[in-house]
Amino acid sequence: AQSVAQPEDQVNVAEGNPLTVKCTYSVSGNPYLFWYVQYPNRGLQFLLKYITGDNLVKGSYGFEAEFNKSQTSFHLKKPSALVSDSALYFCAVDNQGGKLIFGQGTELSVKP
Amino acid sequence: ETGVTQTPRHLVMGMTNKKSLKCEQHLGHNAMYWYKQSAKKPLELMFVYSLEERVENNSVPSRFSPECPNSSHLFLHLHTLQPEDSALYLCASSQTDRANSPLHFGNGTRLTVT
Repeated sequence: AQSVAQPEDQVNVAEGNPLTVKCTYSVSGNPYLFWYVQYPNRGLQFLLKYITGDNLVKGSYGFEAEFNKSQTSFHLKKPSALVSDSALYFCAVDNQGGKLIFGQGTELSVKP
Repeated sequence: ETGVTQTPRHLVMGMTNKKSLKCEQHLGHNAMYWYKQSAKKPLELMFVYSLEERVENNSVPSRFSPECPNSSHLFLHLHTLQPEDSALYLCASSQTDRANSPLHFGNGTRLTVT
């Protein structure tokens, strides 16, 4: 069965510090992996995706994610966090069947 | 402007009421989705319409009834709901013949069942 896990309910980071939001997946075959962000009272917004090729994927707002096949991980990263990055982040996997499976979300809090 | 518009933004209804949620997408996509978002739980896919045909129904109770009259509009008709149905209901769209096309979400309808 396909699944995706975000092991941290909450991540706290000081502004200017690097941030990492973790995601691991379990899927048969080659996965398509996505990150979405949800700001308060908003729907989810697409940040980036990995399909194939370079393991380091760059996305919106300075975010990037690294695909690691051996560790079945797709962690979201940003070199220098902003207060405005505070939001709920969702990892998702598509098993190439066209159906997205979402993680439970990680709340990122960036303090000044 | 997300390209996907949901109305109303907030809805409070009693358990005996009948109401409808509306979603409209302006992106020219050919697939539309309803998701349910409850606190501390992963997003739950409820229904998928592709080319106006329902292709997925994830064991959703019959008190939720979707309707997709055309590729731009999606409705969720609600009747005799339960308090546990209170949640954020998100509509999304995508282009299924474009490989790995990401979902585009609306801002959701916050539903409270009293």
